[in-house]
Formats: sequence, structure tokens, C-alpha cells
Amino acid sequence: EPEVTQTPSHQVTQMGQEVILRCVPISNHLYFYWYRQILGQKVEFLVSFYNNEISEKSEIFDDQFSVERPDGSNFTLKIRSTKLEDSAMYFCASSEVGAEAFFGQGTRLTVV
Amino acid sequence: RKEVEQDPGPFNVPEGATVAFNCTYSNSASQSFFWYRQDCRKEPKLLMSVYSSGNEDGRFTAQLNRASQYISLLIRDSKLSDSATYLCVVNPEGGYQKVTFGTGTKLQVIP
Repeated sequence: EPEVTQTPSHQVTQMGQEVILRCVPISNHLYFYWYRQILGQKVEFLVSFYNNEISEKSEIFDDQFSVERPDGSNFTLKIRSTKLEDSAMYFCASSEVGAEAFFGQGTRLTVV
Repeated sequence: RKEVEQDPGPFNVPEGATVAFNCTYSNSASQSFFWYRQDCRKEPKLLMSVYSSGNEDGRFTAQLNRASQYISLLIRDSKLSDSATYLCVVNPEGGYQKVTFGTGTKLQVIP
């Protein structure tokens, strides 16, 4: 069964450093998403991406965040200068147009 | 009123019991509704979409009440493996963009 894959599974970084979280969406999906979940809290939408551009973003997705599809398979989330409060599980998801999203297993980001 | 609200639980039920969760939403124009389950420290996994006419998948039944702005999930004959957090997901615009997740309802099925 096709699945969304994310790397790394766990990333520890120092405050102020840049991190790139990587995702390989399901191959025939056209919509890609990033969500985050701070420990013990709800899943929060960050951004959706379609046709090589951002289609929606939340207020959380400020100038410190960017997304990119550098090639035909990868979808990345970059956090430019990490803060302690960026520590969370980051989930990538993908979907066909108008269909349900399937989530990757997540990257646990710990900012120290 | 929160955009999407769920009773956090936990709901502790014996094996074989029937349990129901409700989820209320504030935006009356919301178009798409889903139930996901999330195991501890794992990714959310789609359980079922919720259609206006209600839908059933084995032991799981989902219903939508637009007038009262809530969706429900009924689990019959609970199994130990049903223990998880159940997330209500609402999209005000259709499709899957900018969805709002509820905080989840925790279910613990006890032997």
C-alpha cells in the first residue's frame, strides 16, 4: 500500500539553527500538507501546496517557515531559525484532489 | 465557541461495549467532515469520512447533524485494539485544505 514517508524520524537541533524536514508524498497525489502537533495538544494545519505553490497557510506559518518541492518526489518544510516553541511532531500529508489526506509517520523536532 | 470541540475523555469502556463520541463545530458552512484515529505518538489515520446521509463501516457508524452542527461516531462491540484517540476533523471549504482538528477524545477499552 502506498504511503507517505518522512525523514528523519527524530531531529534534535539547537535554537537558532535551520532545519529541513523531508517528505515523500504518495506518487499520484497532487495536494501536499504540513501539520504540527505540540506534545499533548491538537494537530494544527500549517500549509497546503498544490501545483508548485502554496494554496493555503495558517497564521502559524510565518516568515520563518517555507516549503519547497525541489524535485518530482520530495516535499520539504524549512524552519529558518528554530525556537524552543517549534518543538513538536511535524506531519506531512498528501491527497488526491478533493479526497482525504494520508499522513506520514511524522518527524519529532526537538529544539534545545 | 471553539471551531471544533470534542470531549477529551478518557472514555473507559469494557470490551464489547458500545461507545459514542460527539464533536461540535462552529462554522455552519462547513462542508467536509472526517473521523481520524491517532495512537499514542503516531500519525493520525483516517477512520472514515462523514456523509450527510450517515455512513457505516463494520462496527463504526458516523453521522452528521447539520442543524445542530455536530458529528458523531458510534463504535459497537468495542475491542482492545480500538483504544486510541479519536480526532474529529472539519473543513469549512470542502476538500482537505485548511482543515481544523479537534483535540481528540481518548478511548480506553478495558478487558
